Amino acid sequence: DAMVIQNPRYQVTQFGKPVTLSCSQTLNHNVMYWYQQKSSQAPKLLFHYYDKDFNNEADTPDNFQSRRPNTSFCFLDIRSPGLGDAAMYLCATSRGWGGSSSFIYEQYFGPGTRLTVT
Amino acid sequence: EDKVVQSPLSLVVHEGDTVTLNCSYEVTNFRSLLWYKQEKKAPTFLFMLTSSGIEKKSGRLSSILDKKELFSILNITATQTGDSAVYLCAVEADMDSNYQLIWGAGTKLIIKP
Repeated sequence: DAMVIQNPRYQVTQFGKPVTLSCSQTLNHNVMYWYQQKSSQAPKLLFHYYDKDFNNEADTPDNFQSRRPNTSFCFLDIRSPGLGDAAMYLCATSRGWGGSSSFIYEQYFGPGTRLTVT
Repeated sequence: EDKVVQSPLSLVVHEGDTVTLNCSYEVTNFRSLLWYKQEKKAPTFLFMLTSSGIEKKSGRLSSILDKKELFSILNITATQTGDSAVYLCAVEADMDSNYQLIWGAGTKLIIKP
């Protein structure tokens, strides 16, 4: 089945030690998103790629970076994790959106990676 | 199996109409229900609902949760063409010491002038 896969499901890292979370998709979708979700809060969009075009949300800290080497894979790099970065990280994909078309596509989400910072 | 079902899958109405979007769920250890709007860009957060029967409002949009009947509705009054979007519903659930976010397929809303 086509799907969105996130690895690992659980990640423990030390304060300040770089960590990379990965997301892959078999849906061949144009857009890939990364969300951060902390306890009792709604998911917060960090950034998204439309094909190779990177779009950063204005309030995403510089500590968070992303790479999309090809259509199928997208990575979230946290350069120096702090205790405040402990959260669930969700990856999502969609077919994106086109010029004047009013046809908008829904998102498909992976199961998430729970990050613990010690 | 946990699931979130949105209906209708798509809806076309005329400007000025009122619409009601539905989200029903079967989730173990429910925590909250979220509504998002996705236009021709990344989705934006609308509401988070945790308590039954308390309506949340933002302008022409409002939402309410019924935890007994396991559903939520999103109402949009006096619709405008700018309301055209996909509306996503998601439910947070506790799974032992972890939780999941389970997403519905979305309702595609098109507002005609």
